[in-house]
Amino acid sequence: KNQVEQSPQSLIILEGKNCTLQCNYTVSPFSNLRWYKQDTGRGPVSLTIMTFSENTKSNGRYTATLDADTKQSSLHITASQLSDSASYICVVSALDSSYKLIFGSGTRLLVRP
Amino acid sequence: DAGVIQSPRHEVTEMGQEVTLRCKPISGHDYLFWYRQTMMRGLELLIYFNNNVPIDDSGMPEDRFSAKMPNASFSTLKIQPSEPRDSAVYFCASRGQGPYNEQFFGPGTRLTVL
Repeated sequence: KNQVEQSPQSLIILEGKNCTLQCNYTVSPFSNLRWYKQDTGRGPVSLTIMTFSENTKSNGRYTATLDADTKQSSLHITASQLSDSASYICVVSALDSSYKLIFGSGTRLLVRP
Repeated sequence: DAGVIQSPRHEVTEMGQEVTLRCKPISGHDYLFWYRQTMMRGLELLIYFNNNVPIDDSGMPEDRFSAKMPNASFSTLKIQPSEPRDSAVYFCASRGQGPYNEQFFGPGTRLTVL
């Protein structure tokens, strides 16, 4: 069964600190993996998208990694800001069904001053 | 571009009433998706359209739910009759022919059924 699991479920960090969010998936055949940021009361917004051949991609202070062999991904946030407080959702799509996205349950991040 | 537009942003209704949610996709996008998000189940795909034609409605929970896309710039999701367990945030997303098949989400409609 295609699944995406994220950890931790929630995380609290102090402003300026770094953090890493984890994503494990069992989707096969793999097409791509995305990290979305969802602010409270808003729709998800894409941060990074990686295909099988990409093992790292950055978007400002956000850096995503992908290990297609172990089927793991991480999202690293550097020098966190209060505006980083949001839910971060790992989403995977399969080659045979690129229109259907498989969503993780998300990590709720709270950055405190 | 204004992005995906959804209306209303908030809807409060009583059990048994009909609810209609509306979506305007990004111009030029040929795929439209309806999702539901709850704390318990996260984001779930309800139905998606390609060129205004429903392709997969296997995620629609019950016959009380129906969706239409009469033209390329408008779609509706209707719940009749509504029930308290339908309370959730409903998102519409659209997708064009760009790389990675990226979907762009609207701001969502928060539905509360009393």
